[in-house]
Amino acid sequence: AQSVTQLDSHVSVSEGTPVLLRCNYSSSYSPSLFWYVQHPNKGLQLLLKYTSAATLVKGINGFEAEFKKSETSFHLTKPSAHMSDAAEYFCVVSTTGGSYIPTFGRGTSLIVHP
Amino acid sequence: KAGVTQTPRYLIKTRGQQVTLSCSPISGHRSVSWYQQTPGQGLQFLFEYFSETQRNKGNFPGRFSGRQFSNSRSEMNVSTLELGDSALYLCASSPHGNTEAFFGQGTRLTVV
Repeated sequence: AQSVTQLDSHVSVSEGTPVLLRCNYSSSYSPSLFWYVQHPNKGLQLLLKYTSAATLVKGINGFEAEFKKSETSFHLTKPSAHMSDAAEYFCVVSTTGGSYIPTFGRGTSLIVHP
Repeated sequence: KAGVTQTPRYLIKTRGQQVTLSCSPISGHRSVSWYQQTPGQGLQFLFEYFSETQRNKGNFPGRFSGRQFSNSRSEMNVSTLELGDSALYLCASSPHGNTEAFFGQGTRLTVV
């Protein structure tokens, strides 16, 4: 069984300040973890992924995430927010090997103030 | 390379009807998966097809079905539509599955 909890439904930051979107997961097997972003009326775009290689994962647009097995967390960060970062962010877990059935978090809406 | 294409983008159907949605994956991708996105339930996995075979299935009733053709294009069918089926239906493709997926823009289905 697997599950994902995104700890904040909304996060509000000012442009130029750091971003932290929190994600905890539960998985019976070695997980693959992903962060996706969804802009209004668009599909999802992959930001980054963790698949049992380096625990610090760098993604597109300056985002990165750190896999912490002891804390079962995969938080997404960015040093400096841009207005264009305002969107919905989804943390996703699936198991490596075997059946591919991804489980999505409920999403975190990132609001960026000028 | 062209991205994932979903047609139609918008659809309005009446309760009780059936609907077919189409998804053309990225060239060379053999895995196509479908998702339902609603405000109440969030994003939920429907099923995944790989090389014309349904490989994985989420927890949806049998009214939701799909298929994949030899060119990897996929269709999703929903029979006997209910008001609760109103949602954004997203399709995603990947080379083999269980890796990052590339999403289409979705089909917004409204059931009235």
